[in-house]
Amino acid sequence: GEDVEQSLFLSVREGDSSVINCTYTDSSSTYLYWYKQEPGAGLQLLTYIFSNMDMKQDQRLTVLLNKKDKHLSLRIADTQTGDSAIYFCAESPGGDKIIFGKGTRLHILP
Amino acid sequence: DTGVSQDPRHKITKRGQNVTFRCDPISEHNRLYWYRQTLGQGPEFLTYFQNEAQLEKSRLLSDRFSAERPKGSFSTLEIQRTEQGDSAMYLCASSPTGGNGYTFGSGTRLTVV
Repeated sequence: GEDVEQSLFLSVREGDSSVINCTYTDSSSTYLYWYKQEPGAGLQLLTYIFSNMDMKQDQRLTVLLNKKDKHLSLRIADTQTGDSAIYFCAESPGGDKIIFGKGTRLHILP
Repeated sequence: DTGVSQDPRHKITKRGQNVTFRCDPISEHNRLYWYRQTLGQGPEFLTYFQNEAQLEKSRLLSDRFSAERPKGSFSTLEIQRTEQGDSAMYLCASSPTGGNGYTFGSGTRLTVV
């Protein structure tokens, strides 16, 4: 089946690292994605990882993939107030449509 | 090309009326997707097109919903006999075939009163 689970809320102090976790069900997913949605805005592709990779780093973002456990995480280093948003984990079973989780709302504490 | 455009941005309609939304994808993208997002939820897949061919429809897409992409460029999503449960943000996205991830539009927010 196709299902993506992630926790709904995360609060982090400014300057700390944020880690958002996700589990997915379809082992055939070729790519796994992280999207960001700011209030009143559309979804923005943050980063993605190919299923044969374990890690991908892009500036302050680090994606870790544990394919055996179907676990994906997004680490944001030095979290800033501008990182406050909803972060969606997504999988692409069969490489066609993308299936999204319900999103994790990241709240930044001063 | 400035990205994926959706029109209108907001639509308020009375229950029972028909509504039509338009999506203009990025011009070189041959895949076009429609999603629906309700408050507190992630985007839910509705349907997608490869050029003008509609390749998959979700079971969420009842027979009151129809989507077209007649010339393989822009697409329309029509909802007939709208119900209050149709109130949501309708998102369009496009990608090249085999591309990594989509580019989303800003969405059309539908309110059925």
